[in-house]
Order: sequence, then structure tokens, then C-alpha cells
Amino acid sequence: NAGVMQNPRHLVRRRGQEARLRCSPMKGHSHVYWYRQLPEEGLKFMVYLQKENIIDESGMPKERFSAEFPKEGPSILRIQQVVRGDSAAYFCASSPAGWSSRPSYEQFFGPGTRLTVL
Amino acid sequence: AQTVTQSQPEMSVQEAETVTLSCTYDTSESDYYLFWYKQPPSRQMILVIRQEAYKQQNATENRFSVNFQKAAKSFSLKISDSQLGDAAMYFCAYRSGSNSGGGADGLTFGKGTHLIIQP
Repeated sequence: NAGVMQNPRHLVRRRGQEARLRCSPMKGHSHVYWYRQLPEEGLKFMVYLQKENIIDESGMPKERFSAEFPKEGPSILRIQQVVRGDSAAYFCASSPAGWSSRPSYEQFFGPGTRLTVL
Repeated sequence: AQTVTQSQPEMSVQEAETVTLSCTYDTSESDYYLFWYKQPPSRQMILVIRQEAYKQQNATENRFSVNFQKAAKSFSLKISDSQLGDAAMYFCAYRSGSNSGGGADGLTFGKGTHLIIQP
């Protein structure tokens, strides 16, 4: 059973460009979480999605950031008009179910995408 | 909002010795979960151990055990018989037991402790 897949592993963008980060959850997982890790920091929660639904986006910056998890295909974290402060590692995690099915609360993490903005 | 504090930016231990990493958290909730994650240089986040707040018994996983003090809001990780492969960043994390949104669905992480194993 393949783990959580993220691609690309490394992404370089110039200021003003768009960044698209992809996450394929583990097989059978329908819940996806995105986190951002700045240098020397812990991970910060950004958004929680189920298939075709955003459940909790309280950690997402209000502008330029968006996320989706379509019925088919991977979850996408999109950053428009990137700035240097967006440089970070972005991690995706998945779980088989949400709170309605406790104790399925463990989140399995992908290897992350390191975004560098020049 | 919940906060997680790891007061030791870096710890060093001799191979085969025991080391304890500390973590404190702040919450007004009574139902929650606590985790320790390991992040080696590959940056892959690996779950080491978890604790349900409603369980009084401390969790153990082989050489890893926790000291969970609910009243003190403390959740330390003890690594026995340290091995070179244990060298990594260790993150303590909190997750709410309620699905009330507002970030409750995600994990709240501390800033991490860099563990060095001396051969």
C-alpha cells in the first residue's frame, strides 16, 4: 500500500508566478490535510478537505492560497503570485476518516514539497 | 487556541543512553490527543507514539514511552537505549477531540527539539 504521495518534491518559482502542489492520499483515505513548515518551525495547519469539500480552511492565508480535492485526482494546493515569504516546505497528510468515525484520527504524512521562491 | 511548547531546541545523548524530551501544552478542552512525530533529515514525518487524554496509562512503543501528566499539561517523550537512527527533529503535537472546526481538525505542533546522538 503506497503511502501519501506528493509532487513535485522540489519546486522553484519566481516572484509573481503560480505554484501548484499535488497530493495523492493513501489508498482508501478520503480526508486530506495541508500543513506549511517554515524554516526552524513546526508544521502549521492550513486546510482540511474531504472529496469535493473544504471542511476547515481556518489556517489558510486569506489571499492567493486555495485548495481543492476533486472527486477524481489528487488534492491541489495552489499559490498564486508567489512571494519570497511563501518559501517553505508544504506537507500533505491523509486519514481514512474524520471525526464521525473515531478513532480514525491518525494522519499519515507525505514527504513534503519544498517551495523556493526566487 | 491551543498552544504546544517544546522548551529544548536541541538535546544531545550518548548512544545507548536514555533521553527525555519535554513538551507542555495549553488547552481548555478535556478531550484531546497528543502525538510525538519524528522528522529525520529526509523531512518525512513519522508518527512515534500517541496518547489519548482520556487514558491514564502512559503509552509505550518499544524503546519509546511517554510521561503524560494531564493536570500539569505535560507530555514528555523518553527514548531508551538511544540509537544513531534516532537522530532527528522531534515534534510534539496536539489534536482536539472535538470537530468544531476553527483549526480543531488539524494538528498543532511545537517548534521541535533537535536530537543528536553521540556515538
